Amino acid sequence: DTGVSQNPRHKITKRGQNVTFRCDPISEHNRLYWYRQTLGQGPEFLTYFQNEAQLEKSRLLSDRFSAERPKGSFSTLEIQRTEQGDSAMYLCASSPSGSGVNEQFFGPGTRLTVL
Amino acid sequence: DAKTTQPTSMDCAEGRAANLPCNHSTISGNEYVYWYRQIHSQGPQYIIHGLKNNETNEMASLIITEDRKSSTLILPHATLRDTAVYYCIVRVYGQNFVFGPGTRLSVLP
Repeated sequence: DTGVSQNPRHKITKRGQNVTFRCDPISEHNRLYWYRQTLGQGPEFLTYFQNEAQLEKSRLLSDRFSAERPKGSFSTLEIQRTEQGDSAMYLCASSPSGSGVNEQFFGPGTRLTVL
Repeated sequence: DAKTTQPTSMDCAEGRAANLPCNHSTISGNEYVYWYRQIHSQGPQYIIHGLKNNETNEMASLIITEDRKSSTLILPHATLRDTAVYYCIVRVYGQNFVFGPGTRLSVLP
């Protein structure tokens, strides 16, 4: 399967703990996006990378959140000192850059539950 | 904020066409209309996109009105596996996707 993969698929943690999620994009895609989705809502944009450069961050991305894409391939999203309000599905997507309208291809998501 | 308005939910009988409307009255000339769907517990899946002309692919057809203020996604022969939340998004190339709550389509046997 050459689609976007995310690990873990599910994560349960206690409030105050740190968690890290990984996203592996489609190999030839140099744009990578992170979204958060809460129950009954559509995905909300968090941040995106062009290669290793983080080009945009949403105001939803508080100081407790950090994302990296060190070599322009996989990306990690870390949440420090988790809060119950962080419980959500965290989605990763990738797309090629260049000409064209570039639809984004989404992974299956990581569901975070903060107790 | 999402620039589109969609019904909260719709039902469709299996085997019939599902017609999902979307209003985007403030769409600008360089904004494309995209449709994605999200089956329960999965990530969103791209369906189709268009600018002005009607579009068709193996999954669906997209009909855009001449004034581009609304569009309809057509699933010609809905199956139970088409039960999902369908998102209509307008977007300029290079911008991020802004998802609204979408339309929950239930295909009934």
